[in-house]
Amino acid sequence: EAGVTQFPSHSVIEKGQTVTLRCDPISGHDNLYWYRRVMGKEIKFLLHFVKESKQDESGMPNNRFLAERTGGTYSTLKVQPAELEDSGVYFCASSPLGDRGFHYGYTFGSGTRLTVV
Amino acid sequence: AQKITQTQPGMFVQEKEAVTLDCTYDTSDPSYGLFWYKQPSSGEMIFLIYQGSYDQQNATEGRYSLNFQKARKSANLVISASQLGDSAMYFCAMREGAGGTYKYIFGTGTRLKVLA
Repeated sequence: EAGVTQFPSHSVIEKGQTVTLRCDPISGHDNLYWYRRVMGKEIKFLLHFVKESKQDESGMPNNRFLAERTGGTYSTLKVQPAELEDSGVYFCASSPLGDRGFHYGYTFGSGTRLTVV
Repeated sequence: AQKITQTQPGMFVQEKEAVTLDCTYDTSDPSYGLFWYKQPSSGEMIFLIYQGSYDQQNATEGRYSLNFQKARKSANLVISASQLGDSAMYFCAMREGAGGTYKYIFGTGTRLKVLA
């Protein structure tokens, strides 16, 4: 089975520009999560989709971040306009619904390293 | 507030020896899950092991075991017979939220280097 795919793997943009990150979860996984790790700090939750619906977006830092999940398949995370403090690694993860998803952990992608200069 | 603390930013271990990576947590919720993830240099996060707060026995998965001491709120990862491929970043995480969201709280990670 294909894993969670994220692209681009790296992105360098200037402050004020827009960047869109994409995540393709494992087929059939209804749960999709976005996390972010700022350099040297802990990985922090951004939001959680169940299918196409936002279940929890309490971790989204501000309204410059917009996440969507079209038709409950892939998801995009747009940052507009990007600021220097948005630099970090953005991880996407997916899991199936139900208890099995919880006990067996998520499947993470390899992340997108975003650098805002 | 729920929190995960990993106090070891970096660790070295000789190949074939065992190593313990520390993790302490703080929560007031009686029901929680504890996880360890490995992040090799390639970047992906790999799920290693899970421990539920009500589990009576320590979790084990191959060379990985979780030393769960509930009263001390610690969930240390023990890797036995270390291999060069174990060199990676290791994250301890706790699941918060019942009934809907399975979001994690992560620690800052421990970078493990296995020496030949």
